Amino acid sequence: DAGVIQSPRHEVTEMGQEVTLRCKPISGHDYLFWYRQTMMRGLELLIYFNNNVPIDDSGMPEDRFSAKMPNASFSTLKIQPSEPRDSAVYFCASSLTPFGYTFGSGTRLTVV
Amino acid sequence: GQQLNQSPQSMFIQEGEDVSMNCTSSSIFNTWLWYKQDPGEGPVLLIALYKAGELTSNGRLTAQFGITRKDSFLNISASIPSDVGIYFCAGQLPSSGTYKYIFGTGTRLKVLA
Repeated sequence: DAGVIQSPRHEVTEMGQEVTLRCKPISGHDYLFWYRQTMMRGLELLIYFNNNVPIDDSGMPEDRFSAKMPNASFSTLKIQPSEPRDSAVYFCASSLTPFGYTFGSGTRLTVV
Repeated sequence: GQQLNQSPQSMFIQEGEDVSMNCTSSSIFNTWLWYKQDPGEGPVLLIALYKAGELTSNGRLTAQFGITRKDSFLNISASIPSDVGIYFCAGQLPSSGTYKYIFGTGTRLKVLA
């Protein structure tokens, strides 16, 4: 099992540019989560999906953020336009049971 | 919003020593999870606790679900250098939906050989 796969591992972009983060969950996991980690705010849940359907997006900071899950094996988190305060590590996680997720290795985003 | 407070924020210990850390909140939680995060990686699940008073072990790690459901504790016995990392607790609120967890602020552990 390859685990949760995220790409890219690192992304540096200029303010105002569109950024797309990608995630492949573990096969068979019905739930997918996007988290953001910063020193100031720790790990924050942005959105989660069940069977490809967004269930709770209350953590999405603003309209510049959007997430999709077109099929069971792929999800994207898009930021358009990006701002320096969006700099953080973005994690994708998937789950088969309610008792804990498996996280990916994260994408470190730097917006300059 | 709800917050999970972890303590200590960081700690240095000698190899071989036991380690204790805790997580507290003003809210009641249904489930407690403990994760460890290594530099440059995502958190890895260590222990899951499902009911008040539960005590669960995973090798040298032992965690407990507090009786009040507002706290949890993690102990590491006979620490070794690879225990270095950041330890996070996470709690599931009763009203949050089954799969939504709030994460604590983390305890950064450093082991001196």
